[in-house]
Amino acid sequence: QVQLVQSGAEVKKPGASVKVSCKASGYTFTSYGISWVRQAPGQGLEWMGWISAYNGNTNYAQKLQGRVTMTTDTSTSTAYMELRSLRSDDTAVYYCARDPDIVVVPAATPGMDVWGQGTTVTVSS
Amino acid sequence: EIVMTQSPATLSVSPGERATLSCRASQSVSSNLAWYQQKPGQAPRLLIYGASTRATGIPARFSGSGSGTEFTLTISSLQSEDFAVYYCQQYNNWPPEYTFGQGTKLEIK
Repeated sequence: QVQLVQSGAEVKKPGASVKVSCKASGYTFTSYGISWVRQAPGQGLEWMGWISAYNGNTNYAQKLQGRVTMTTDTSTSTAYMELRSLRSDDTAVYYCARDPDIVVVPAATPGMDVWGQGTTVTVSS
Repeated sequence: EIVMTQSPATLSVSPGERATLSCRASQSVSSNLAWYQQKPGQAPRLLIYGASTRATGIPARFSGSGSGTEFTLTISSLQSEDFAVYYCQQYNNWPPEYTFGQGTKLEIK
């Protein structure tokens, strides 16, 4: 079945970096993009950025420009999200989600249709 | 940046009744609007895309409508499993860029 499996929970100190992985299975990895979405405790959803698994093109939320890097490894069908210079307000559950790549599939159905289980990142001194 | 505003923040409805959730965009998003359902401790689930098209496996009691700046998600006859938080999301096809509303919590009356 189609699924995204994320890496485990992380605890980091302020100023450190975190790298979360998202391993895809059950579909052609390079036919889609991956979006990353985070959710602070008790809060709503915040889109962080998108990466094409086909060619590595990215588009990051302006708020996170300069602190976030998204990459993929097509040999293992895995996407990665690295966030640097962590602050306490980066404490959140981080989700990856399968997302269309209209460069690869122009008529792709929109919407994030498959999600990972979430990775809790806690930033605390 | 497009701002998505959902109302009400909390909606109390009895099982079997109809629920109507609203979402407003700060500028026109055409029909580039999706709805997601999230239950406690779970990842969001895609319900509706293109403002009115149900995603695969979504029951017919869920329907979406609207275009431009005003959108509605209607759940025709609430089941116990429908009590959750619902988010609207506008999307830009290229480059991919998204904004979520702040969510509406649908609770049992």
